[in-house]
Amino acid sequence: GAGVSQTPSNKVTEKGKYVELRCDPISGHTALYWYRQSLGQGPEFLIYFQGTGAADDSGLPNDRFFAVRPEGSVSTLKIQRTERGDSAVYLCASSLIVGEQFFGPGTRLTVL
Amino acid sequence: GENVEQHPSTLSVQEGDSAVIKCTYSDSASNYFPWYKQELGKGPQLIIDIRSNVGEKKDQRIAVTLNKTAKHFSLHITETQPEDSAVYFCAASIANDMRFGAGTRLTVKP
Repeated sequence: GAGVSQTPSNKVTEKGKYVELRCDPISGHTALYWYRQSLGQGPEFLIYFQGTGAADDSGLPNDRFFAVRPEGSVSTLKIQRTERGDSAVYLCASSLIVGEQFFGPGTRLTVL
Repeated sequence: GENVEQHPSTLSVQEGDSAVIKCTYSDSASNYFPWYKQELGKGPQLIIDIRSNVGEKKDQRIAVTLNKTAKHFSLHITETQPEDSAVYFCAASIANDMRFGAGTRLTVKP
């Protein structure tokens, strides 16, 4: 079966621009997570959805970051007014069983 | 919140030798401890996990041990092969709140 997919795989943008990153979770997985991974570091939690609602958004660094999951499946992470410090790999994961998370390949975001 | 420490940060072994990676966690309420393998340019892949009601779990050449009292857990890889070379991450989780270690870069030399 298909795993978690993320698009685009790479995104290069200019400082100040708006970007959207998409995640397609494993079919039937009710929980969806966004993480950010900087070079040489482990994934850092951003936000977690249970169904359509954001159950925990405590990891979002500031109000430039926002995520939605309107139909309880696909999710979009939105970053406004991008800054060079936003450059990282953005990972999405989904799960059916509490705790057991399966990751996508990530989107590498580069802000010039 | 939970804090996960992982060491060593790099590990180099000869093919066929064993590799051990250790992690400690701070929150005694953590009850799920997965290990992920991440190859260059790919997302983390779940390779083994253990829950807090179990002390040890084995799957072919990999095993994980958990000491709840000391709040540490370890990954053991036996008979290492060059394809085991990757970055390995431990994590500790309470419900859906998962925190990761900083990773261990394992190199297996043929």
